[in-house]
Amino acid sequence: DTEVTQTPKHLVMGMTNKKSLKCEQHMGHRAMYWYKQKAKKPPELMFVYSYEKLSINESVPSRFSPECPNSSLLNLHLHALQPEDSALYLCASSQMPQGAEAFFGQGTRLTVV
Amino acid sequence: EDQVTQSPEALRLQEGESSSLNCSYTVSGLRGLFWYRQDPGKGPEFLFTLYSAGEEKEKERLKATLTKKESFLHITAPKPEDSATYLCAVQADNYGQNFVFGPGTRLSVLP
Repeated sequence: DTEVTQTPKHLVMGMTNKKSLKCEQHMGHRAMYWYKQKAKKPPELMFVYSYEKLSINESVPSRFSPECPNSSLLNLHLHALQPEDSALYLCASSQMPQGAEAFFGQGTRLTVV
Repeated sequence: EDQVTQSPEALRLQEGESSSLNCSYTVSGLRGLFWYRQDPGKGPEFLFTLYSAGEEKEKERLKATLTKKESFLHITAPKPEDSATYLCAVQADNYGQNFVFGPGTRLSVLP
C-alpha cells in the first residue's frame, strides 16, 4: 500500500478563517512533506518533518503552521490567508534517509476568497 | 548553481509516435533522480527511481535512463491515456531531505 490520504479534497475559506489540512500515511515512512503547487508550475517545498521533528522550513509565512502529531499524521494549520495562497497543497511521505522515492497524496485544492 | 531543467516544455504526439523527454541536472552529490506523472488537479504519481549513471528502469511503455548529467524518459508507442505532465525530481547532498522538481513536460497524445 503506497497511499497518502489528504483531507479535505477541496477547501474554500475567507481571509479571516482558520482551517486545517490533514494528511495520513501508514507506510511507516519517517519523512513527511508539505508542498505547494500553483497552476502549470512544479511543486514547491514548504516544510519537511523528519522523525516527527521539523527539519526544513522554506521561509514560509507564519500564517501557515505545520504540525506532526505522530509518525503517521501531518497537519497544516491555516490562518489569515491571502488570495495568492490559493493553490493545490500536496502532502508526501518517504523513507529515511535520502534516496527513497516520495509518495504523494491527491492534494487539497485551496481557494482563499 | 544547482538546478533541474526539463525539455521540451510541451510535446504533442500522435498515438503510436515514440519520443523522449529530457531532464538535465547540475547538482553535487546526487542521491536519487525520480520521475513522476501528474494528471491535472491530482498529486504526482511515482514512476521510477534512478541512482547511478547507466541505470535503466522500464514499466509498460515507459523507460527511464540516467547519465551523469541527464535522464531521459522514453515513451514507446504512446496512447492517449499517457497524456499528462511528467516531472523529474532530484535529491542531492545540498538539498537534505527535499525533492527539487524540474518544471515538467506537458505531454499530449492525440488519437
